[in-house]
Amino acid sequence: QKEVEQDPGPLSVPEGAIVSLNCTYSNSAFQYFMWYRQYSRKGPELLMYTYSSGNKEDGRFTAQVDKSSKYISLFIRDSQPSDSATYLCAMSGTSGTYKYIFGTGTRLKVLA
Amino acid sequence: KAGVTQTPRYLIKTRGQQVTLSCSPISGHRSVSWYQQTPGQGLQFLFEYFSETQRNKGNFPGRFSGRQFSNSRSEMNVSTLELGDSALYLCASSLERASSGNTIYFGEGSWLTVV
Repeated sequence: QKEVEQDPGPLSVPEGAIVSLNCTYSNSAFQYFMWYRQYSRKGPELLMYTYSSGNKEDGRFTAQVDKSSKYISLFIRDSQPSDSATYLCAMSGTSGTYKYIFGTGTRLKVLA
Repeated sequence: KAGVTQTPRYLIKTRGQQVTLSCSPISGHRSVSWYQQTPGQGLQFLFEYFSETQRNKGNFPGRFSGRQFSNSRSEMNVSTLELGDSALYLCASSLERASSGNTIYFGEGSWLTVV
């Protein structure tokens, strides 16, 4: 079993829809949770960063962490064609775990 | 502020050759990590360098190596290239060690094709 599981998609939605992207994980030591967006043939760019459990909102994006369920989500409101990309979740532990573990990414296509 | 810079962006090599990829981190960042990204395996951690020392290593064969210079710039080398080494190689930098709240920022990557 992988430490981080992410549905690869592809996920196709109409413009304006609310998108929900999810990752599950098995390592309870993870404390830091990130979402990266990667456009085709580009490097990943940091979208959201959350520490421990709770919600964080930034514009149309909301990141949610449920440590009791080992489940994290990224919500995109009013999705736009420019949101079409691969979304990667990543997580990291505290001292002694000096590397990020990434999900395999979910490919999202927002249809105009 | 300039981002993470990787060179070259694209390269084609023949099986058996070796390749060196270069990474210049964000100014002031001291940690550089390298990742391999392939369609089947996703992002896989290669190694991390901090203060010119390799601090962590992923599950890759010894053909994959790297180093970091005193100015935090880093290079990675792959010797005796195999077809399966074809991938996007990503460099990421962070202020301190890549964990405990220190976010990592990626470069655009180096696309390596082995023929």
